[in-house]
Amino acid sequence: GAVVSQHPSRVICKSGTSVKIECRSLDFQATTMFWYRQFPKQSLMLMATSNEGSKATYEQGVEKDKFLINHASLTLSTLTVTSAHPEDSSFYICSALNTVKEQFFGPGTRLTVL
Amino acid sequence: SQQGEEDPQALSIQEGENATMNCSYKTSINNLQWYRQNSGRGLVHLILIRSNEREKHSGRLRVTLDTSKKSSSLLITASRAADTASYFCATDENSGYSTLTFGKGTMLLVSP
Repeated sequence: GAVVSQHPSRVICKSGTSVKIECRSLDFQATTMFWYRQFPKQSLMLMATSNEGSKATYEQGVEKDKFLINHASLTLSTLTVTSAHPEDSSFYICSALNTVKEQFFGPGTRLTVL
Repeated sequence: SQQGEEDPQALSIQEGENATMNCSYKTSINNLQWYRQNSGRGLVHLILIRSNEREKHSGRLRVTLDTSKKSSSLLITASRAADTASYFCATDENSGYSTLTFGKGTMLLVSP
């Protein structure tokens, strides 16, 4: 099946720094990728929809200036958490849609902000 | 926005028993999907059932969908300790955008 990778798998950073997370579709092209966030023992919440070559669409309550999304190619979307704070600590998961709209999930990135 | 609601929130059973988890949703859907997530890990897609389907099987998994009641159930038969995980339903609403809305999940513990 299709594979989606995320990098890094785990990151620890100091408060105030920015962190970039990459999401790659390894064997298919994805014009649409999604970014989710999951707090401990909670469900996944959709943060934004990333479309190649255009601006991301953010869900209500998600700050677009805080969570910068760049979908520069058909196989790569990046999420940058700017000026991270401890409350941004979470599990971030991306997914990618193939041409027949099947959605494949990445393994997730655990962000810990100290 | 959170649409699916799973129940129970937590389920503890013995190996060999069956586990049933339910999911309810609010809007019309294209399909409903079930995922498993082991602690701290990514999602594993289990099964997709389309809105015009009523039941689907995959190995030890059986999923039903009742669109009139806006509910679905996931049955795991002859459970194993390795089935211990959180299970989420996710709905693909009839919006054309393929975004998934996840339920809160059921945490399943299967004891040997």
